[in-house]
Amino acid sequence: DAEITQSPRHKITETGRQVTLACHQTWNHNNMFWYRQDLGHGLRLIHYSYGVQDTNKGEVSDGYSVSRSNTEDLPLTLESAASSQTSVYFCASSDYTTGELFFGEGSRLTVL
Amino acid sequence: AQTVTQSQPEMSVQEAETVTLSCTYDTSESDYYLFWYKQPPSRQMILVIRQEAYKQQNATENRFSVNFQKAAKSFSLKISDSQLGDAAMYFCAHAGGTSYGKLTFGQGTILTVHP
Repeated sequence: DAEITQSPRHKITETGRQVTLACHQTWNHNNMFWYRQDLGHGLRLIHYSYGVQDTNKGEVSDGYSVSRSNTEDLPLTLESAASSQTSVYFCASSDYTTGELFFGEGSRLTVL
Repeated sequence: AQTVTQSQPEMSVQEAETVTLSCTYDTSESDYYLFWYKQPPSRQMILVIRQEAYKQQNATENRFSVNFQKAAKSFSLKISDSQLGDAAMYFCAHAGGTSYGKLTFGQGTILTVHP
C-alpha cells in the first residue's frame, strides 16, 4: 500500500542546532506539504512543493527550508532550531484532483 | 486569505447519542473543497468526510454527515450513534479549487465520548 513515512518520529535537540526531518511518500503525488501542529492553532502550512525543483513558502515559513530533488522526498530543515519551533510536524501529499491530503504519522520535535 | 473557525474547543457526548461539531469559514473563491479530519490519540490524521462546494447535496459517510450551508459559509459535522472510538480531535479544513492540497485548518475540537 502507498504511504508517507516520516523520520524521526521523536527528536530532542538544542537551541541553535540544525535539524532535518525526513519525509518519503510512495503515492507518486507531485504535491507535498509540511505542516506544524500547535495547540490552539490547528495545523499551519510551513512549505509546499508542486513538483521536482519547485518549493513555496507557506504561512509560517520563517526559520525553515525545504528542497525537492525527486518526487518521493521533501525534507524539512530547521537551520538554527529555536524553542518556538517545538511542535509536532506533519508531512502530507495530495491527490491532484480532489485536494485531499494524505498524512504521515507526524514527528514530535522538542527544542531545549 | 481563507480562514476557518471552530468555535467549540471541546465537546462531549454520551455513547449512542448524536453530536454536532461546528465550523465556519471565509473564502473569496467560488470553487473549493471542505474537509473534516479526525486525529485520535495515535496522532494519525484521518479523513472523515469531504464536500465539494459546487455540490448542493450534503456529503454522508456512514454515521458521519455534514450540514453544508454555502451562503452562511458553515460546514458542521454530525456524528450519529457515537462510539467510544469516535473520541478524538476533529479538524475542519478548507482548500481552494486550485490549491491542490494546500489546506487551511481550524483550531480543532476535542470530542469526548462517555460510556
